[in-house]
Amino acid sequence: GAVVSQHPSRVICKSGTSVKIECRSLDFQATTMFWYRQFPKQSLMLMATSNEGSKATYEQGVEKDKFLINHASLTLSTLTVTSAHPEDSSFYICSAAPPRVSQETQYFGPGTRLLVL
Amino acid sequence: QKEVEQDPGPLSVPEGAIVSLNCTYSNSAFQYFMWYRQYSRKGPELLMYTYSSGNKEDGRFTAQVDKSSKYISLFIRDSQPSDSATYLCAIPQGLTGGGNKLTFGTGTQLKVEL
Repeated sequence: GAVVSQHPSRVICKSGTSVKIECRSLDFQATTMFWYRQFPKQSLMLMATSNEGSKATYEQGVEKDKFLINHASLTLSTLTVTSAHPEDSSFYICSAAPPRVSQETQYFGPGTRLLVL
Repeated sequence: QKEVEQDPGPLSVPEGAIVSLNCTYSNSAFQYFMWYRQYSRKGPELLMYTYSSGNKEDGRFTAQVDKSSKYISLFIRDSQPSDSATYLCAIPQGLTGGGNKLTFGTGTQLKVEL
C-alpha cells in the first residue's frame, strides 16, 4: 500500500512555543491531505482538509490562526501549532489521498504525539 | 445525535473466538462504509470497505451493512492475539473514502487473550 510518513513522531515542547509537524506521501502524489487530532481513548477528529496550492478548509471549532496548514507540494503538508498550550497535547495524524477520486481510501501517517509542558 | 456511534469497549475475548464489532449511523444517505484498525500509538490502516448493503468477506474478516437499520458490523473469525487493536468504523462524506472527509466512530478496543 501507499506510504505516508510524519515527522517528528514525538515532540515535547514548552508552553508558548510553536511546533511544526510534517506529513509526506512517499510514493504517490496527494492532491488532498487531511489533519486529524486524537485524544486518549477517543476517536479521530478531523481538523482540516488541505488541497495542494490552496488554503486549507478548517472544521468548525478549529482555530485556523492557531493551527497553520501549508500544503506546498503534492507530497508535503505541514501543520504548525502556534503558541502551543498544554491543552494542545494530543496525537496528530495526517492522511493523504491519491488524485483518483475513485480511490477507496486515504492513507494515514503513523501520527505525531505532541506533549506541551 | 452523533453521526456515527460505536461502543468503545474494551472488549476482551479468548484466542479463537468470533468477535463482533458494531457501529450505528444516523444519515440514511451514507453509502460507503469502512473499517480501520489502529494499533497503539500508530495511524489507522484500512481493513475493509463496503458499498451499500450486504456482506463482504476478506480472509477472517467479514464486513456487513444493514442500511434498513443503519447498522454496520465487522466480524473477526478465529481471533488472534495480533488482532488486539482498536477498530474504528468510518463513513466518508462522499461516495468513496479517498478524497473525502471521514467521520469516525469512537473505536472499539479489542484484546484477544491467549
